[in-house]
Amino acid sequence: DVKVTQSSRYLVKRTGEKVFLECVQDMDHENMFWYRQDPGLGLRLIYFSYDVKMKEKGDIPEGYSVSREKKERFSLILESASTNQTSMYLCASSFVIQASFNYGYTFGSGTRLTVV
Amino acid sequence: GQQVMQIPQYQHVQEGEDFTTYCNSSTTLSNIQWYKQRPGGHPVFLIQLVKSGEVKKQKRLTFQFGEAKKNSSLHITATQTTDVGTYFCAQTTSGTYKYIFGTGTRLKVLA
Repeated sequence: DVKVTQSSRYLVKRTGEKVFLECVQDMDHENMFWYRQDPGLGLRLIYFSYDVKMKEKGDIPEGYSVSREKKERFSLILESASTNQTSMYLCASSFVIQASFNYGYTFGSGTRLTVV
Repeated sequence: GQQVMQIPQYQHVQEGEDFTTYCNSSTTLSNIQWYKQRPGGHPVFLIQLVKSGEVKKQKRLTFQFGEAKKNSSLHITATQTTDVGTYFCAQTTSGTYKYIFGTGTRLKVLA
């Protein structure tokens, strides 16, 4: 079974703190993604990476950065946490998706971050 | 950015009734995926549709891709309490790795 593991299930941080969210996958997937999920807004893409050291901005990258030094690990960094970054953060990974194969993203269990 | 409209936002049905959620795009899509998220869980991949007019079935679930590849639907026949959750479509246009998710349809099944 493909596994995507997020380091923390729940996290409480103070405003202004630097926050690291870690994600590790064990299936040699090329692509990795960070989404945040908020009620009524669905899943919004923050950043994604299609190779080691490669990254691209998603739809809401402001206030976030990422790091991918190894293929299996993709970290999301909140440089200076703010209360509007309180959310559920979901990491996902996938192979390069091809039309001929019926597979999609594999998600981690999520990290519920509260910034106080 | 790319808009992904999913309707309805919420649906309550009696167990045994049918349920349909719709996903619409402002642009022509390369393919579309559907995911299910149980309460307290994370999204789980259900299926990918690629061809214009494609219809795929998984037991009581029927997935359809529009002829113009701008819309899709998920239909559940005779809902069960195990169908409870939020159903998301995810869309991509050609040449991109990233998928844009719809806002989801939250299904509640009343026993």
